[in-house]
Amino acid sequence: AQKITQTQPGMFVQEKEAVTLDCTYDTSDPSYGLFWYKQPSSGEMIFLIYQGSYDQQNATEGRYSLNFQKARKSANLVISASQLGDSAMYFCAMREAVISNFGNEKLTFGTGTRLTIIP
Amino acid sequence: GAVVSQHPSWVICKSGTSVKIECRSLDFQATTMFWYRQFPKQSLMLMATSNEGSKATYEQGVEKDKFLINHASLTLSTLTVTSAHPEDSSFYICSAWDTQETQYFGPGTRLLVL
Repeated sequence: AQKITQTQPGMFVQEKEAVTLDCTYDTSDPSYGLFWYKQPSSGEMIFLIYQGSYDQQNATEGRYSLNFQKARKSANLVISASQLGDSAMYFCAMREAVISNFGNEKLTFGTGTRLTIIP
Repeated sequence: GAVVSQHPSWVICKSGTSVKIECRSLDFQATTMFWYRQFPKQSLMLMATSNEGSKATYEQGVEKDKFLINHASLTLSTLTVTSAHPEDSSFYICSAWDTQETQYFGPGTRLLVL
């Protein structure tokens, strides 16, 4: 069963508009972490934002925010005031934490969403 | 943020040759590093977990004799693609945890086997 689901293979958004990229996850582990990465055409994976399962507030990093709805098991990425440079692939990922064994936890990735910002 | 480097960024080789890719954590120590493979327009697929001073742990379906991993120090892991064939052409990318909240990735290595 897929642990991370990104249902939007591609999205087109007008510049300066806000965009929401969907991500749902599946885990029975009470302790987990959710991540979003951006992958431009150069291929590098750029870390954007992190949300821990016990965090009370939604994570924010500049124009990025994570809409964390624990009961629904969703962790959508919101990009405000989109820019042309936001055009890229976006991956949602999950770490099922084993705190006592830090450093060994794997990340499970979704299939990604290709975001294109239209001028 | 923490930096992970990879070398080379591009490699073209003939079928049957071996290719070594280096992954370094530049400003932090990593007892564990991860190696991923990504085909065009697909997601990252974890190949193996590289452990400093011990054997790597390979994901199901990944040939350990084909993809040799050596994690000789706390800042260096290497992936050697042995007897490369055209089907091994792909984008290889490594990563490591800096903190519990951030896994950093190298810039990746594009391998083309002719």
